[in-house]
This record gives sequence, C-alpha cells and structure tokens, in this order.
Amino acid sequence: DSGVTQTPKHLITATGQRVTLRCSPRSGDLSVYWYQQSLDQGLQFLIQYYNGEERAKGNILERFSAQQFPDLHSELNLSSLELGDSALYFCASSPSAQETQYFGPGTRLLVL
Amino acid sequence: AQSVTQPDIHITVSEGASLELRCNYSYGATPYLFWYVQSPGQGLQLLLKYFSGDTLVQGIKGFEAEFKRSQSSFNLRKPSVHWSDAAEYFCAVGPILTGGGNKLTFGTGTQLKVEL
Repeated sequence: DSGVTQTPKHLITATGQRVTLRCSPRSGDLSVYWYQQSLDQGLQFLIQYYNGEERAKGNILERFSAQQFPDLHSELNLSSLELGDSALYFCASSPSAQETQYFGPGTRLLVL
Repeated sequence: AQSVTQPDIHITVSEGASLELRCNYSYGATPYLFWYVQSPGQGLQLLLKYFSGDTLVQGIKGFEAEFKRSQSSFNLRKPSVHWSDAAEYFCAVGPILTGGGNKLTFGTGTQLKVEL
C-alpha cells in the first residue's frame, strides 16, 4: 500500500457523459500527478499539480481537466466521454515537485 | 524528447532461474531512472530508482539494476525468481522539466511469466 488513495475503483458510464476521479496523496506529499494507462497508448502522463498549482502538462485532452484543492486532494474531470477514453487512470504523489512518485491503485473507467 | 524502450514484451523464466529485463533510454542529460512493477489488477509499485552515485542500485524484493551510461541502459536483474514475481515490469525515466515540474516517461512494459 503506497498511501495514495483513489476513488472510485471502477466506473462504468456512457459516451457523452462526464465523470470525476478523486485522488488523495500520501500524507505530507504536496505534488500530485495523473496518468492514463490504455492498451494502445500505454502509460501516459497527463498533468502535475504542486501545492494547488499546475506544474507540468502532458498529452491531456481539452475535454479533461484537473485541479488540486487546499487539502491537497486532486480531482480529474473527464467530459464528453468517448469509447477511447476507457482506460486505467492512475494518480501518484511525491513530497516535492521533483521527487520519486508513488502510485495509487488506479480507477478503471469503462465507457460504453 | 525522452523515450524508454523495453525490447522484450514477454519473458518466461522458470522459478529459481535468474532474470534480466532490459531497458534503454534516450535523454540528453543524466536521467532519473525507475523500475515499477504492476501485478494484475494492482497499481504501480516502485522497485528501485537511480538518481546519481553508485551505478548498481538495490531495490525491494531482491531486485537490483545497473545504470550504464555508455549503453544508455538500466537493466533490472534478480538472481533467483519466485513465482510471486510474475507481473508486468515498467522502466521509466523522469527528467526535471523547465519550471520545476516532473513527469515520468514509461516504456511499454515487459510481462514476466514464471513457470513452476
């Protein structure tokens, strides 16, 4: 157990819908990262937040957005969902913006 | 841009045999290098990391990896594999980005099967 928690574990929804994935970092960690794991794209970095501010951005779609709240938990919002958004979404955290990342168990999203 | 290559998609070894998983990276400076393991239905667990210093690093579960700058490699090894080591293994490189950010670039993974 890394100490990073993600909810929900599984999510099934329909195309066109919007979902929110939640992540709580390890105690004391200020930085949160989001990754997408899919069969065709592998593990892809989406976005990083550090102490509430966006710090780095990867290949995140415009339909996706994230934020980190004052209590340091983070949410990833996925809207206008498409079949291709079905994937495992991981959250990771680290103490600072540049240290080792520890991953949560992931949220498996299935878009039907 | 940085990249990571794991040339072996699948590897099968017998329990008790030695293991080496290959990883090659492309990056302009000295990278931060990591190995993570993903068991079925589980998240990514950090096995070991290299930031600087001794090029042979020890990790959890009896794994070790050696950084070879001349070969741009960071291969993972274990002298004697256990059935519980069956999982998918990911090599990753993590440069420091301009602005103080960070991200990991992962290889495509190596699926390890252990025969009893």
